[in-house]
Parts: sequence; C-alpha cells; structure tokens
Amino acid sequence: KAGVTQTPRYLIKTRGQQVTLSCSPISGHRSVSWYQQTPGQGLQFLFEYFSETQRNKGNFPGRFSGRQFSNSRSEMNVSTLELGDSALYLCASSLATTLGTVSYEQYFGPGTRLTVT
Amino acid sequence: GIQVEQSPPDLILQEGANSTLRCNFSDSVNNLQWFHQNPWGQLINLFYIPSGTKQNGRLSATTVATERYSLLYISSSQTTDSGVYFCAARMYSGGGADGLTFGKGTHLIIQP
Repeated sequence: KAGVTQTPRYLIKTRGQQVTLSCSPISGHRSVSWYQQTPGQGLQFLFEYFSETQRNKGNFPGRFSGRQFSNSRSEMNVSTLELGDSALYLCASSLATTLGTVSYEQYFGPGTRLTVT
Repeated sequence: GIQVEQSPPDLILQEGANSTLRCNFSDSVNNLQWFHQNPWGQLINLFYIPSGTKQNGRLSATTVATERYSLLYISSSQTTDSGVYFCAARMYSGGGADGLTFGKGTHLIIQP
C-alpha cells in the first residue's frame, strides 16, 4: 500500500501571502490530521478531519483552516502568512477518528517544509 | 490537555550499547505511539502501544497505563539508530479527542 503523500514538499512564500498544502491518506483511511513542527514549539496538533467534517482543532488562529474531500484527501490553508508560520507541516492518516475508548494508529507523510520570507 | 514528557533529552552512546527512553504522560490515554524522525523530517512509526509490551527486532516497548509511563528499549545500537525519538499520546475522553500530543523528543546519537 502506498503511504501518506504530501505536496508540495518544499515551498517558499512571502509574508502576507496565502498557501495551500495537500495530503492524500493511505488507501482506505478516512481520518486526516495535520500537525505543525517548529524548533521552538515542537510538534503541535492543528486539526483533524473525518468524513469531510472537522472533528477536532488545536490552539491555532483562524488563519489556519482545512477541508477534506469525499475521497478523504485533505488540504490545509494558511492565509496572511507570518514569519512564524515557517515550519514543517505534517499530515497523518488513520482508519477512522477516535470514538470513545477506540483510537487508531496514525501514519505520517513526509511533510511540507514551508519557508516564509 | 494531556502532558507528555520524555527523558533524557539527549543521549550519546557507543555502537553496540543498549538504551532506554522514557515517556511519562499525565492522563489516561487510548493511543500511545513511538516514532523515529529521520533526517528529512518524516516520522517513522515504531510502536502503537497504549498498553502492554511489543517487540520488533532490536526494539521493544512497554506501556504501563496505570502508572502513566512508556519505555522504548533499543538493544545493540547501530549508527543508523541515531536521530530523534518521539513519544505521542492521545487522551481518552467521553466525547471527542484532541490529536496526538507529542513530547519534546530524545535526541539519540550513536557513535561508531
């Protein structure tokens, strides 16, 4: 089975611009989560989508948004980019979202490295 | 939310040595995973282990959920084991759940 794929792998943007990142989950996986990794804050949860609905959201401003399509592919968007948005953005897929005590293993893609100048 | 703490933050060992990495978490979890981050940034799954013990070659892991900690053992270390190891946990709750909460990682260096 192919793993999680993310495009683009590298991106350079200017402050004030917006950016869209894409993630294709493992075939059969219906949940997609997004994380941001920076040297200062480490790995932080952005949001999770399941069945085209945002299920959970981390503590990030509204400039960060996402969506999921009917084929489970997901995109995240960052508007009005700031220098501090420079980071590695990681997408993870799992079979489904957490339901009660049942949770599923998450598998990560290679990431998109975003540089904001 | 849940707190995840890893120790030690840095570990330097000679090739062939054994190591133990620790992960403490602050609440009941329904998901605990160990990852190795490669030099290009990708998180490689090592173990999905909310409780119990698992082994995969030279690596093994144990999670004692009632005492809220997990251990990752690496035996007969090789230089290719070098890198950052992350523990991540997801808290159980009656309703929805946040994403994985990551520790700050253990930076392991294996010297030849």
